[in-house]
Amino acid sequence: DTGVSQNPRHKITKRGQNVTFRCDPISEHNRLYWYRQTLGQGPEFLTYFQNEAQLEKSRLLSDRFSAERPKGSFSTLEIQRTEQGDSAMYLCASSSTGEGDTQYFGPGTRLTVL
Amino acid sequence: DAKTTQPTSMDCAEGRAANLPCNHSTISGNEYVYWYRQIHSQGPQYIIHGLKNNETNEMASLIITEDRKSSTLILPHATLRDTAVYYCIVRVRGGSQGNLIFGKGTKLSVKP
Repeated sequence: DTGVSQNPRHKITKRGQNVTFRCDPISEHNRLYWYRQTLGQGPEFLTYFQNEAQLEKSRLLSDRFSAERPKGSFSTLEIQRTEQGDSAMYLCASSSTGEGDTQYFGPGTRLTVL
Repeated sequence: DAKTTQPTSMDCAEGRAANLPCNHSTISGNEYVYWYRQIHSQGPQYIIHGLKNNETNEMASLIITEDRKSSTLILPHATLRDTAVYYCIVRVRGGSQGNLIFGKGTKLSVKP
């Protein structure tokens, strides 16, 4: 257990529905990252926050995706109008720039879009 | 694209040392070498990182060549629980580009 928690661990939804995932980082970590991983591939970066500011977004993050970190602590990732291609593992990681900036990952949320 | 190349797969006998190579010939002077592993259906687990000196912790050792163009992760006494995909990543610490760029990694199979 790295101290990064994600909820839910599994989500099954129908195409067209909206889903929201939550990530709670290690306490005091100022950076929080979202990645997506499809079967047989390594994780791909989506976006990251430093405190509450969203500093970088990948081109993978389409208009249907939005992420927030309102108070610089937990973060949410929302996918609107889900598509079957959104089926993947969504991973969250956190790091502290004051402590070496090593990223520690949560267990992930497995999304299945039917 | 990932800045590292790794063998697709490797086998290791239980109890023996597992030596996982990684090439990073275009590494910049301020980039560190990080190793993560991912056991099936779990999030990636941080193992170790280094800049130019060899590093050791309770999980593994990291040997970086003098020219920094390649490195080797050593698991000294592999167990069945070390079966996983191992990722070698180069990255600037604390930089504005925060993300890790994962390749496909090396699938290590530890066999009894």
